[in-house]
Amino acid sequence: DAGVIQSPRHEVTEMGQEVTLRCKPISGHNSLFWYRQTMMRGLELLIYFNNNVPIDDSGMPEDRFSAKMPNASFSTLKIQPSEPRDSAVYFCASSLREGRDEQFFGPGTRLTVL
Amino acid sequence: DQQVKQNSPSLSVQEGRISILNCDYTNSMFDYFLWYKKYPAEGPTFLISISSIKDKNEDGRFTVFLNKSAKHLSLHIVPSQPGDSAVYFCAASPRWRDDKIIFGKGTRLHILP
Repeated sequence: DAGVIQSPRHEVTEMGQEVTLRCKPISGHNSLFWYRQTMMRGLELLIYFNNNVPIDDSGMPEDRFSAKMPNASFSTLKIQPSEPRDSAVYFCASSLREGRDEQFFGPGTRLTVL
Repeated sequence: DQQVKQNSPSLSVQEGRISILNCDYTNSMFDYFLWYKKYPAEGPTFLISISSIKDKNEDGRFTVFLNKSAKHLSLHIVPSQPGDSAVYFCAASPRWRDDKIIFGKGTRLHILP
């Protein structure tokens, strides 16, 4: 099993540009989570999907952020337009079911917005 | 407003000694607690968990203690090994949303040779 796959691993962009982060969850997992890690705020949940349906997006910082899960094997997190304060490491995680099943994290995408 | 607090950003421990990582939480409705471990350039990985009906859970060298009255939990690693050098995240899940995990900021553990 390849685990959760995220791309790109690193992204450097200029302020105002659109950024798209991608995630492939573990096959058979029904829940998918997007997190953001910063020094100031630690690891924050942005949005959570179950069976491809967004369940809780209360952590999405503002309208510039959007996430989709068009099928069980792919999700995107888009930032448009990007700002320097969006610089962080973005993690995708998946778990087998809802509830307190162990979450398996991808390696993360390090985003730098200049 | 941090609901899960790890007040020590870093900790250094001699190899072979005990490492104790601490975590405090503010919400008495949390009833499930977890520790995740993270190496550089990797995502966090699940380490150990504890339900609020217990006060201790042990898995090999790792033991988590829960003190509900103090809203405090700790992770003990005995004996500490070089491979334990990592960032450790404490996390909690509320009773009303068992799909939601709230993480602390993490504590960086350095195991000294």
